[in-house]
Amino acid sequence: AQSVTQLGSHVSVSEGALVLLRCNYSSSVPPYLFWYVQYPNQGLQLLLKYTTGATLVKGINGFEAEFKKSETSFHLTKPSAHMSDAAEYFCAVNQAGTALIFGKGTTLSVSS
Amino acid sequence: DGGITQSPKYLFRKEGQNVTLSCEQNLNHDAMYWYRQDPGQGLRLIYYSQIVNDFQKGDIAEGYSVSREKKESFPLTVTSAQKNPTAFYLCASSTTGGKQPQHFGDGTRLSIL
Repeated sequence: AQSVTQLGSHVSVSEGALVLLRCNYSSSVPPYLFWYVQYPNQGLQLLLKYTTGATLVKGINGFEAEFKKSETSFHLTKPSAHMSDAAEYFCAVNQAGTALIFGKGTTLSVSS
Repeated sequence: DGGITQSPKYLFRKEGQNVTLSCEQNLNHDAMYWYRQDPGQGLRLIYYSQIVNDFQKGDIAEGYSVSREKKESFPLTVTSAQKNPTAFYLCASSTTGGKQPQHFGDGTRLSIL
């Protein structure tokens, strides 16, 4: 069965510091992978996706993620955190062509 | 602009009452989904539909029901059989096939009176 594990339910960084949010997945076939962001009391907004091709994927707001098949990982990074990046982040996988399987989320806090 | 509209934003349910959450999309998507979000649990799939007049149970369908009579609409009913309905409910839609991302509404927060 597919699954997604997000390591660390809370991550805290200082403004200007590197952001690294970890995501590992299990899949028996090449997956489609997604990162979403959620602000309080709102829906989810797509940050980026990996389907095929280039393994380094660039998204909105300066975020990027790298698909590493050998490590079954899809970690999300941003070189320099901004206060507006504080939110909850979800990694998700879609293998069977139907609904997404989500990780439990990582809350990112950014301090000045 | 195209998007997904969920209503109401806040909803209160009395004991023994059924309530219906609305989800409408104008993105011309074939597939629609309902998720439940609880703190620290991520999103869990309740029901999904890939075509009009057809839908499938997700991981936590007990106590919920849906219909898909129109492509644009996918209402969710939380029945009295759902003993712990307090949660944030999110509706999403997408094209079929899995490569394309899901688009989400802004959610409905359901609470018990």
